[in-house]
Amino acid sequence: AQSVSQHNHHVILSEAASLELGCNYSYGGTVNLFWYVQYPGQHLQLLLKYFSGDPLVKGIKGFEAEFIKSKFSFNLRKPSVQWSDTAEYFCAVTSANAGNMLTFGGGTRLMVKP
Amino acid sequence: GAGVSQSPSNKVTEKGKDVELRCDPISGHTALYWYRQSLGQGLEFLIYFQGNSAPDKSGLPSDRFSAERTGGSVSTLTIQRTQQEDSAVYLCASRLAGYYNEQFFGPGTRLTVL
Repeated sequence: AQSVSQHNHHVILSEAASLELGCNYSYGGTVNLFWYVQYPGQHLQLLLKYFSGDPLVKGIKGFEAEFIKSKFSFNLRKPSVQWSDTAEYFCAVTSANAGNMLTFGGGTRLMVKP
Repeated sequence: GAGVSQSPSNKVTEKGKDVELRCDPISGHTALYWYRQSLGQGLEFLIYFQGNSAPDKSGLPSDRFSAERTGGSVSTLTIQRTQQEDSAVYLCASRLAGYYNEQFFGPGTRLTVL
């Protein structure tokens, strides 16, 4: 069975600080990787996804993530956060052999102070 | 275009009662998923429908949980004899057929079992 772990449960940053949220997964086969975001009071939205190709993936709102296969990692980054990035961030994987159901990490709550 | 919609947005029920939660996927999306988001367990997969195939029920936590999808569109998740541990936000997601397509989530139904 696959699993996903997110190292940081809560992160507090000031505006313009750089962000990196850790995500590690365990699964021996081919995986697809995702970051979803949930803004306060809103539903889950996709930030970015990786299926194959260039391991550096760019998503919406200036976010990017790098897939490092040897480390089973898919960390999310943003060079300069804004107050509007305050949200909960979820890393998720699907296995190429399953029905594309998502296995989520526990989430990271990000608070950006103005 | 219209996104995934769910109803009701909130449901309060008494322990032992049955509840039905509804999901309207994005038109044309053949895959439909139910997930549960709770404080203790995070985001968990419940059940997956793909076209006319038999659903993948591997995530359902007990036989009190069931779901159906009529006409390949609307889905209903039913919880019988609700328990307090069923309290959670129930999320529905839909996806276009095709390996590289992501899941789009609805706003969820917050279920509270008293």
